[in-house]
Amino acid sequence: GAVVSQHPSWVICKSGTSVKIECRSLDFQATTMFWYRQFPKQSLMLMATSNEGSKATYEQGVEKDKFLINHASLTLSTLTVTSAHPEDSSFYICSARDLRDPQWTEAFFGQGTRLTVV
Amino acid sequence: QQQVKQSPQSLIVQKGGISIINCAYENTAFDYFPWYQQFPGKGPALLIAIRPDVSEKKEGRFTISFNKSAKQFSLHIMDSQPGDSATYFCAASRKHNFNKFYFGSGTKLNVKP
Repeated sequence: GAVVSQHPSWVICKSGTSVKIECRSLDFQATTMFWYRQFPKQSLMLMATSNEGSKATYEQGVEKDKFLINHASLTLSTLTVTSAHPEDSSFYICSARDLRDPQWTEAFFGQGTRLTVV
Repeated sequence: QQQVKQSPQSLIVQKGGISIINCAYENTAFDYFPWYQQFPGKGPALLIAIRPDVSEKKEGRFTISFNKSAKQFSLHIMDSQPGDSATYFCAASRKHNFNKFYFGSGTKLNVKP
């Protein structure tokens, strides 16, 4: 299957600082990328959907000014957690799909980023 | 409102046994139903998926059974192995609305040797 690479795998930052997480599709072009947040022993909660070259669509309850998403190219999307606080500590996962594919089947997931805000 | 309901929350199976995880959905517009396997600290990986035009799909030891009229689908893991111990998520998606995935709550499977 296609590969989605997420970087970094884990990051520790101080409260009040910003952290950027990258999501890259390595062998296909991702027209759409999704960002999820997962708390321990819980399911994946969709935060936002981004299409290449356009603004991200945020799910209800997700602060767009706090979680900045940029999808500048067909292979890269970034999530920036601004002014991070301990409650932002979580496992963040991206996934990518190529919706031009007529089968539009799979969504490929990155390996996730463990963010710890101290 | 949870779009996809998954059960059980956890499951313990002896090696060689059959693991069965069930999911139910409400939105009849869903037309793609994947199952994902997630190990601790890793992202989900696609295991097997089905579309509503078939009632069953089998890949190796993994089988999806799909009941369109009941709006239910299930994952069967035959000859379960300790290496299958992971958390399993069902999901549903549809062509519109950016093809978002709606995930079930997850089932933690423990296969005992």
